[in-house]
Amino acid sequence: DAKTTQPPSMDCAEGRAANLPCNHSTISGNEYVYWYRQIHSQGPQYIIHGLKNNETNEMASLIITEDRKSSTLILPHATLRDTAVYYCIVLLSYDKVIFGPGTSLSVIP
Amino acid sequence: NAGVMQNPRHLVRRRGQEARLRCSPMKGHSHVYWYRQLPEEGLKFMVYLQKENIIDESGMPKERFSAEFPKEGPSILRIQQVVRGDSAAYFCASSPSAGSEDTQYFGPGTRLTVL
Repeated sequence: DAKTTQPPSMDCAEGRAANLPCNHSTISGNEYVYWYRQIHSQGPQYIIHGLKNNETNEMASLIITEDRKSSTLILPHATLRDTAVYYCIVLLSYDKVIFGPGTSLSVIP
Repeated sequence: NAGVMQNPRHLVRRRGQEARLRCSPMKGHSHVYWYRQLPEEGLKFMVYLQKENIIDESGMPKERFSAEFPKEGPSILRIQQVVRGDSAAYFCASSPSAGSEDTQYFGPGTRLTVL
C-alpha cells in the first residue's frame, strides 16, 4: 500500500499557483519524498524530490514540513498543460515505486 | 541524452500468442523497473532488474511472465500465451548506477491489446 495520502481531486485557475498537499506521517528517516505526474495515459513524468530541505527546480517547488510528515508541491503558474494526476511517493533509494491513486488536478481556463 | 525508449508503442496480439516488450534505458543507467497499468487502474510494480540480474520480481505474475536485462541490449518483458486480461499499458523506468541520484525516469509505455 502507498504510504501517502492525497486529496483525490483539485481545481486550479490557469495562471494561479497550484498547491498540492500530501501526508506521509509514517515516513522513515532515509525515505525521500518524490512527486511524479501522469498526463492522460502517458508515462509518469518526474517532477521533483527531496529528503529534508525544500527544493525548487524549473517545474515546481517542494515544501517539506520540519517533522517530514507532510509536504506540498507548488506549481507556481499553472497552465492547461499541467492538468494531470499527481503522485506523491515516499521512496528508499533503489526501491520500487508504489503508486497510490494520486490527486487529479484540473487547471481551469 | 535521449530518454527511456520503449518499443513497440502499440502491440496487438491474439489470445495464446507471445508478446515481447522492449525497454532501452537512458544512457548510463543500469537499473530497469517494469510497471503495468490496467485500464482505469493505477500503476503497479512488476519487476526490478540490473544488468543480468533480477533484483525484485515480487510484482510479477507467477506464470507466463518473464523479464531479462542482458549485458548488451534492451530489457525485455515477455508474456507468453497472452490472455485478454493482459491488455494494459506497460511502462519501464530506468535509474542511474549506484550513487546518490537514483531517480527513476519513465518511458512512454507500450500499449498491449489482446484480441
